[in-house]
Amino acid sequence: KAGVTQTPRYLIKTRGQQVTLSCSPISGHRSVSWYQQTPGQGLQFLFEYFSETQRNKGNFPGRFSGRQFSNSRSEMNVSTLELGDSALYLCASSSGGVLYEQYFGPGTRLTVT
Amino acid sequence: AQSVSQHNHHVILSEAASLELGCNYSYGGTVNLFWYVQYPGQHLQLLLKYFSGDPLVKGIKGFEAEFIKSKFSFNLRKPSVQWSDTAEYFCAVLNSGGYQKVTFGTGTKLQVIP
Repeated sequence: KAGVTQTPRYLIKTRGQQVTLSCSPISGHRSVSWYQQTPGQGLQFLFEYFSETQRNKGNFPGRFSGRQFSNSRSEMNVSTLELGDSALYLCASSSGGVLYEQYFGPGTRLTVT
Repeated sequence: AQSVSQHNHHVILSEAASLELGCNYSYGGTVNLFWYVQYPGQHLQLLLKYFSGDPLVKGIKGFEAEFIKSKFSFNLRKPSVQWSDTAEYFCAVLNSGGYQKVTFGTGTKLQVIP
């Protein structure tokens, strides 16, 4: 069974631009969660989608948004990028939500200059 | 808001030493608890989890953790570490009651010296 895939793996953007990250969950998984990982802050929860519906959201500004498609693939968008958005963005999929085992992808390393 | 504290940011041990990594959380209600590990160059993976029942939970690779409700703690232990245990370890807490968000600690980097 293929694991969670994230594209692109690396991204360099300029302040003020916007970016879209993609996540393909494990086949059959319907829940996708997104996390931001930075040194010293650990992983911070962004949002979780299940069957195309956002079920929960972390404490991030509205510049961070996401969606999930009918095939469970998910995208995350960050608009008006700031230097502080530089981080590793991780996607995790599970069969039923965060109560179940989450399988993490390799992440997308975003650098904002 | 829920918070998770991992007191040790960087731990260095010799092989065969015993390991205990601390994790404390702030939420007073029913919680689900996790330990994740990230080996160098690899994805985060689940080590063990506690949902209910026996507070002593056994995970993969000889790791175990004990949930002590009165201390709001979920410390990770291993009796004898190996060089291959060198990794970053994250404690995570999920409030009960449905599909709530998971709060992660800031992580502990473990370096095991051969």
